[in-house]
Amino acid sequence: SQTIHQWPATLVQPVGSPLSLECTVEGTSNPNLYWYRQAAGRGLQLLFYSVGIGQISSEVPQNLSASRPQDRQFILSSKKLLLSDSGFYLCAWSIGQGGEKLFFGSGTQLSVL
Amino acid sequence: AQSVAQPEDQVNVAEGNPLTVKCTYSVSGNPYLFWYVQYPNRGLQFLLKYITGDNLVKGSYGFEAEFNKSQTSFHLKKPSALVSDSALYFCAVRSKAAGNKLTFGGGTRVLVKP
Repeated sequence: SQTIHQWPATLVQPVGSPLSLECTVEGTSNPNLYWYRQAAGRGLQLLFYSVGIGQISSEVPQNLSASRPQDRQFILSSKKLLLSDSGFYLCAWSIGQGGEKLFFGSGTQLSVL
Repeated sequence: AQSVAQPEDQVNVAEGNPLTVKCTYSVSGNPYLFWYVQYPNRGLQFLLKYITGDNLVKGSYGFEAEFNKSQTSFHLKKPSALVSDSALYFCAVRSKAAGNKLTFGGGTRVLVKP
């Protein structure tokens, strides 16, 4: 069966520090991968999505970047965190396109102080 | 561009009463519609989806949703709500015109009181 791992679960970082959040998927090949951010427990904003290794689409210009060094690994990064980067970050995967549902990781609560 | 609207920030309902969470969408072409539920500090869990076929879709935990093309709506319903249904509910849409992107609504918090 397929599983998605996202870590860490919580993270407190000072302003200006770097960030690396990692997401890995097991039990499937060539998944579509997504990073979403949820602010204040409400709406989900799509940050990045990837349909293959090295293929990253950015939805919103911002202080973050994403990379996909391996087929089932998706990394969210920042060189210098801002206060506004605080939020709940969710990784997700799907197969194919159209009607297939997304499977979400358990999320990372990031607090930038 | 595709979009989803959930007009209610919060829905309050007494346990045992019917529950409805509203959702309208805007896409180019045919929509793929989804409902997800989120419990505190957790990821999202899939409830149900509409791809094609019957307009009434049945999903997990007794939830169902009705696709209405003329009203561009996909309201989530449950005939008899439970206290354990209290959570944050998200409607989402996907379309071929927008590629693989799943666009979420702003979410509706459901509070079921005993």
